[in-house]
Amino acid sequence: KQEVTQIPAALSVPEGENLVLNCSFTDSAIYNLQWFRQDPGKGLTSLLLIQSSQREQTSGRLNASLDKSSGRSTLYIAASQPGDSATYLCAVNNAGNMLTFGGGTRLMVKP
Amino acid sequence: GAVVSQHPSRVICKSGTSVKIECRSLDFQATTMFWYRQFPKQSLMLMATSNEGSKATYEQGVEKDKFLINHASLTLSTLTVTSAHPEDSSFYICSAPKAGLAPNNEQFFGPGTRLTVL
Repeated sequence: KQEVTQIPAALSVPEGENLVLNCSFTDSAIYNLQWFRQDPGKGLTSLLLIQSSQREQTSGRLNASLDKSSGRSTLYIAASQPGDSATYLCAVNNAGNMLTFGGGTRLMVKP
Repeated sequence: GAVVSQHPSRVICKSGTSVKIECRSLDFQATTMFWYRQFPKQSLMLMATSNEGSKATYEQGVEKDKFLINHASLTLSTLTVTSAHPEDSSFYICSAPKAGLAPNNEQFFGPGTRLTVL
């Protein structure tokens, strides 16, 4: 059974810092990995999708990497802003579009 | 990105009543949709896979008679929580993969429904 772990569980940084969120998974036979953002009481916003054949994806200040063989992905956020404060979830698709989620990283960016 | 809507966004009901939650894909067709549940400060847990034209597939530990799923059309799936109890209070979120039956599609999520059972 796939297990997804995110480290750290919570992170507080001053505005402007570059930061890295980590995601690891136990079963490397994945179709893709997706990073989401969730604001309190809200649904999920898709940030980046990395297919199993890809190594990384970039969108604006966000960069996600994937090392499938080692079961790891990282989300890099450059020049963090208070508006980036949210919970970040990684989810692995290894069974026909059914996602297994990590526990999330709660990010607080202080002005 | 694609748009998935949910209705209602928030519902409060008395114990023993049934509650229906709708999930719609607004600008694409979805032969499959997924229902997740999220308890406070926890991550999402898959409850079931909703299949258009056939029965839903439930994850282990999820009661199919308690959580009725109907995939009425290519753009609509409904989740009915029957005889709701306080322990069913949670945040229910649906998702749909866009672009066909390929197993590696990007998932789009609805805004969620907050259910509170008194």
